[in-house]
Amino acid sequence: EPEVTQTPSHQVTQMGQEVILRCVPISNHLYFYWYRQILGQKVEFLVSFYNNEISEKSEIFDDQFSVERPDGSNFTLKIRSTKLEDSAMYFCASRGGLRQPQHFGDGTRLSIL
Amino acid sequence: SQELEQSPQSLIVQEGKNLTINCTSSKTLYGLYWYKQKYGEGLIFLMMLQKGGEEKSHEKITAKLDEKKQQSSLHITASQPSHAGIYLCGADRNAGNNRKLIWGLGTSLAVNP
Repeated sequence: EPEVTQTPSHQVTQMGQEVILRCVPISNHLYFYWYRQILGQKVEFLVSFYNNEISEKSEIFDDQFSVERPDGSNFTLKIRSTKLEDSAMYFCASRGGLRQPQHFGDGTRLSIL
Repeated sequence: SQELEQSPQSLIVQEGKNLTINCTSSKTLYGLYWYKQKYGEGLIFLMMLQKGGEEKSHEKITAKLDEKKQQSSLHITASQPSHAGIYLCGADRNAGNNRKLIWGLGTSLAVNP
C-alpha cells in the first residue's frame, strides 16, 4: 500500500541553524500538509499546499518557515533559523481529493538544542 | 474557534473488554476522521465519516457520527493489547479547497493482558 515517507526520522540541530524536513507524499495525491505536535499537546496545522502554492497557513507558520515542492515528488518544510520552541514532531500528510482522508508519514522528531 | 474535545483522556481496560471513546464539537463537522498513534510515532488512518448518522466498522472497531454531525464515537469490541495506543479524532475545519484538520487531544488506551 502506498505511504507517505518522511526523512530524517530524527533531527538534532543547534538553535539558529536551518533545517529542512523532507516528505515524499503518495503519488497522484494533490493536497499536501504539514502539521506539528509538541510533546503532550494537540497536533497543530502549519500549512496546506495545493496546485503548487500555499492554500492556507497558520499563525505558527511565520517568515521563518517555507515549503517547496521542487520536483513533483518531494515536499519540503524549511525552518530558516530554528528556535528552542520549534522542537516538536513534524508530520507531513497528503490526500488524493477533498473527500478522501489525509495519510500521514511517521514524522520527523526535531530537537533544537 | 472550533475545538474538538475527546473523552476520556486516558483509559485502561482488561483484555477482552469493550470500550468507547468520544469526540465532540461545538459546530457541525464537514468530515470526521479517526487515527491511531503509537507512542512517538506516526498517525495511522482508521476511519472517515462524512454523513450524519454514518457508521463504519473495520475488524473490531466501529465509528459513528451523529445525525447533527457534532459528535462521533469510536467503539472497540473485545479489546486486545494490539489496540493500545493514542486515538485521535480530527475534523475538517471548513468545506473549501484546503480542509486542514483540527484535532482532539487524544485518548490514551492501555489494554492489560
